[in-house]
Amino acid sequence: DAGVTQSPTHLIKTRGQQVTLRCSPKSGHDTVSWYQQALGQGPQFIFQYYEEEERQRGNFPDRFSGHQFPNYSSELNVNALLLGDSALYLCASSFGRQGEQFFGPGTRLTVL
Amino acid sequence: RKEVEQDPGPFNVPEGATVAFNCTYSNSASQSFFWYRQDCRKEPKLLMSVYSSGNEDGRFTAQLNRASQYISLLIRDSKLSDSATYLCVVNRGGGSQGNLIFGKGTKLSVKP
Repeated sequence: DAGVTQSPTHLIKTRGQQVTLRCSPKSGHDTVSWYQQALGQGPQFIFQYYEEEERQRGNFPDRFSGHQFPNYSSELNVNALLLGDSALYLCASSFGRQGEQFFGPGTRLTVL
Repeated sequence: RKEVEQDPGPFNVPEGATVAFNCTYSNSASQSFFWYRQDCRKEPKLLMSVYSSGNEDGRFTAQLNRASQYISLLIRDSKLSDSATYLCVVNRGGGSQGNLIFGKGTKLSVKP
C-alpha cells in the first residue's frame, strides 16, 4: 500500500517564477492538506482540500493556490516566487477532514 | 506569542537517560493534541496522540493538562534511535478541523 507520494523531490527556481507541486494521497484517503516548513521551524498550514474544494486556509497570500482532482490527488501552485518561499513543502492526506494526517516525504523548493 | 511553544532545546542525553519535553498552547478552544517525530530531512510522523487521562506507549508517556494548557512527553531509557526532532502539535477543532498547528520542535540527540 503506497503511502503519500509527492513530486518532484527537489526543485530550484528563480525569483518571479511559478511552481507546481504534486501530491498523491494514501490509498483510501480523500482529504489533502499542504504545509510549508522553513528551515529550523515547524510546518505551517497552507490550506486543505476536500471534495475538490479549498475548505480551510492558513495565513498565506493569494500567490499560493491549489487544486484537488476527482482522484483526490492535489497540486500546490505558487506564483511570483520570493526568496522566502524556499522551504520544504509537505503534503498530508487523511480520511475525512478530521482524520489522522499522514505526511509525504515533501518537496524541497529552493528559490534563487 | 506563538500558538504552540516548546522547549527550544537541543537536548543532548546519554543512552538510557530519561528526557522530558514540555509544550504550551495558547488557544483554549484546541481539541486534539499530538506529538510528532521528525528525523533529519524527513517528513513528520505521528508518535502518539495525547489524552487528558494521559497515555503511555512503551517507553513514551504523554500528558495533557487542559487547565494549564500544557502538554508533555516523557521518554524513558533513551535509545540512539530516539534522536530526532519532536514536534508538539495542536488541532484547533471547531471551525478549523484538520488544521494542525505545529510547535517549532525540540531536537533530541542521544549519545552512546
